[in-house]
Amino acid sequence: TQLLEQSPQFLSIQEGENLTVYCNSSSVFSSLQWYRQEPGEGPVLLVTVVTGGEVKKLKRLTFQFGDARKDSSLHITAAQPGDTGLYLCAYSSNTGKLIFGQGTTLQVKP
Amino acid sequence: GAGVSQSPSNKVTEKGKDVELRCDPISGHTALYWYRQSLGQGLEFLIYFQGNSAPDKSGLPSDRFSAERTGGSVSTLTIQRTQQEDSAVYLCASSPRAGVSYEQYFGPGTRLTVT
Repeated sequence: TQLLEQSPQFLSIQEGENLTVYCNSSSVFSSLQWYRQEPGEGPVLLVTVVTGGEVKKLKRLTFQFGDARKDSSLHITAAQPGDTGLYLCAYSSNTGKLIFGQGTTLQVKP
Repeated sequence: GAGVSQSPSNKVTEKGKDVELRCDPISGHTALYWYRQSLGQGLEFLIYFQGNSAPDKSGLPSDRFSAERTGGSVSTLTIQRTQQEDSAVYLCASSPRAGVSYEQYFGPGTRLTVT
């Protein structure tokens, strides 16, 4: 059983469309992180959400942490081909050990 | 700028052989993490180091896997008697210190294929 369940697993959309990726759990977290990974590279941290109900924006990406701190979402507005990649949510333990969701593979077609 | 580097980038080995994977962390980073990424299992934690000590080895899948870190810098992950299920991308990350407050910076990974 995955601690963090991501959906959808795969998403293929046209340039300019909007999309939302979900990261859900039955556990409560002090914070959640979102990463993007491109082929042949390691994951890169996009954002950390800490407060229940928090919304953070990174250009066309909007991240939300659920009020109960059990789930998070990533919304991309007007997706671009450069947004293509694997999006991962993760929980960090006190030692920094990261527990990842299974990831969402996003393909944005021109 | 010098990020995390890993070598080799690709390794093909025969079942039963031993392999060594190397990670060079960012200079000055005292924490170093190893992860494995495979299609079936996603991205999984293996082991982490704070300095040369490994307080958490809980993710190592079997006693065929071991890791060491010397001089608080370079780390080597060794897999003995490789099996086909060991095929995966092995990722290394470093951070200034171990802990939830410190961002981890990942290397590009070593793709291991066991034939």
